[in-house]
Order: sequence, then structure tokens, then C-alpha cells
Amino acid sequence: GNSVTQMEGPVTLSEEAFLTINCTYTATGYPSLFWYVQYPGEGLQLLLKATKADDKGSNKGFEATYRKETTSFHLEKGSVQVSDSAVYFCAGNAGGTSYGKLTFGQGTILTVHP
Amino acid sequence: EAGVTQFPSHSVIEKGQTVTLRCDPISGHDNLYWYRRVMGKEIKFLLHFVKESKQDESGMPNNRFLAERTGGTYSTLKVQPAELEDSGVYFCASSQKPGGWYEQYFGPGTRLTVT
Repeated sequence: GNSVTQMEGPVTLSEEAFLTINCTYTATGYPSLFWYVQYPGEGLQLLLKATKADDKGSNKGFEATYRKETTSFHLEKGSVQVSDSAVYFCAGNAGGTSYGKLTFGQGTILTVHP
Repeated sequence: EAGVTQFPSHSVIEKGQTVTLRCDPISGHDNLYWYRRVMGKEIKFLLHFVKESKQDESGMPNNRFLAERTGGTYSTLKVQPAELEDSGVYFCASSQKPGGWYEQYFGPGTRLTVT
């Protein structure tokens, strides 16, 4: 079956530091890949996505590139802010008969200090 | 436009009791999903409705869980009788259409605590 393995946290950084959260996936087909973010007290929000190999998703300074050769979709940001403190989830959708069913990683708690 | 809403935000019940969670999707979204996150682990798929029909219920853990979506609008997820291992956060999501290129919009979740 499909699975997503996400770097375990928590991750604690100082403001303006570089962020990387690793994510790898296993799928029988060619999944679409997503990063979701959950801010304190809120629901999950789609941060970015990529629907095919070599696609780069980007939003709010975050980027992730769909690497088929390494089956990875690592999340990066060059300079984090305190407001980026949240839980980040990597997810995949195998498509086909899965009809949008998402498979999630365990989530990574990010805390950014001033 | 209102987002996905869930009620209640938090429920504390005793083992053996019944709880019903409700989800109101974004208006016009035919696809409604339920997910669950137990004890800080990964978020797991429970089931998927297309309008009022169950498209995929492969993630439902057992027959103590019953999901309905009468009329293809809001959905309820009933747990009867609740067990300790049912504690967790239950998320609902909706999308206009299925498939990876259609964003799923998530609600804030219902935190269920079974004591």
C-alpha cells in the first residue's frame, strides 16, 4: 500500500534559520504530493502541492520539489519566522480508484523562537 | 464563503457511551472525507462520501463506527459504544471533486477523549 514517512520532530529553530523537513513516500502509482500545515487551534491548511515528477510547489516562502528518483518531497524555507510555528504534515494521494484519499506522515512540530 | 465546520470541538465521554460528531462541508462540495489522528500519530483516512453515497469506507476501524450523510449535505460520525482507543482528533474535509489536483479543505477537528 501507499505510505508516507516524515522526519520526526519536534524541530526548534531561531528566527531566520533555514528549515528542512524530510518526507519520502512509497506508492504503487504516481501520487500527487502535498504539504499541509496546522496552526494552533486551527484546521489543516494546504501549504503547497505537486502533481507530477519534477514539479515544484511553493507558497509563503516554502518550497518542495517532487523527486521521483529519490521518492522524496522535502519541505524547505530559507528564513523561518515565528509565525511559521505549527505542525507540518506531508501527504500523498495515489489517485486512480483512491479518489482523493490522502495518506499522511506523522507530522512535524516546528517551533521558531525570536 | 464559510469553511468546513465541525461540532463539537471537544467531547469527553466515558467508555461505553455514544458520541456523534458532525461535519458541515463547504457548500457545493460533493466529496466529504473523515480522517482521524490518534495519540500524535499520523492522520489516517476513515471514509469518503460522494454526495450521500459511501465511495470508500476502507479506513473505518470496526462496526462501532457509523457514518452517514443524508441528503448529501452534512455528515455525522457516530461511535457506539466508545472505547479508550477511540480517543483522538477527528477531522473532516471536503472537496469539489475527487483526485489529487482538487484541494481538500479541512475543518478544525473534533477532539474526542474517552475515559
